[in-house]
Amino acid sequence: GQQVMQIPQYQHVQEGEDFTTYCNSSTTLSNIQWYKQRPGGHPVFLIQLVKSGEVKKQKRLTFQFGEAKKNSSLHITATQTTDVGTYFCAEYNFNKFYFGSGTKLNVKP
Amino acid sequence: DAGITQSPRYKITETGRQVTLMCHQTWSHSYMFWYRQDLGHGLRLIYYSAAADITDKGEVPDGYVVSRSKTENFPLTLESATRSQTSVYFCASRAGQGASGNQPQHFGDGTRLSIL
Repeated sequence: GQQVMQIPQYQHVQEGEDFTTYCNSSTTLSNIQWYKQRPGGHPVFLIQLVKSGEVKKQKRLTFQFGEAKKNSSLHITATQTTDVGTYFCAEYNFNKFYFGSGTKLNVKP
Repeated sequence: DAGITQSPRYKITETGRQVTLMCHQTWSHSYMFWYRQDLGHGLRLIYYSAAADITDKGEVPDGYVVSRSKTENFPLTLESATRSQTSVYFCASRAGQGASGNQPQHFGDGTRLSIL
């Protein structure tokens, strides 16, 4: 099956610092979805990117889809303790979703 | 999401036993999915269903059986549980493709399964 590689695996930041997680694929992605999972919780959909070079913003979160549609990133500006959790990218292909291994974000107050 | 519920939330069983995890959604979504989540592996798709009576394998289907006789239910059965199947299991659903393309998945709260 398809594989999306996600880095870094862990990130510890001080509150107020920025955070970025990257999702990379060796093949062209049809689209990419991003999810957030709080500790002990379930994944929650954040956004979907479809177009080459697409950039979408949700308050302090900025999502990008690479021009070649082989990579994507999620950037959080000025992290807050409420941002704690694991962020997953997921590729959709032929009715199946292939998730990256996730980036676990810890924010120190 | 209150529209998709999983039961039980926690389950402990022994090797070799059969165990069934339940998933129920109230949105009439066409698609339903079962994932397992293990440390370092993210979420891996076990089985999915595009509609009632239509199921297909995901990445890690071995040792699992699914059925979908009704749109709202998608049970997952471990016919003879093994220790390697200890995991957190998530059920998800999504609507069929709409005008905007693929729809997001909505996840249940998960079942934490331990096999001794």
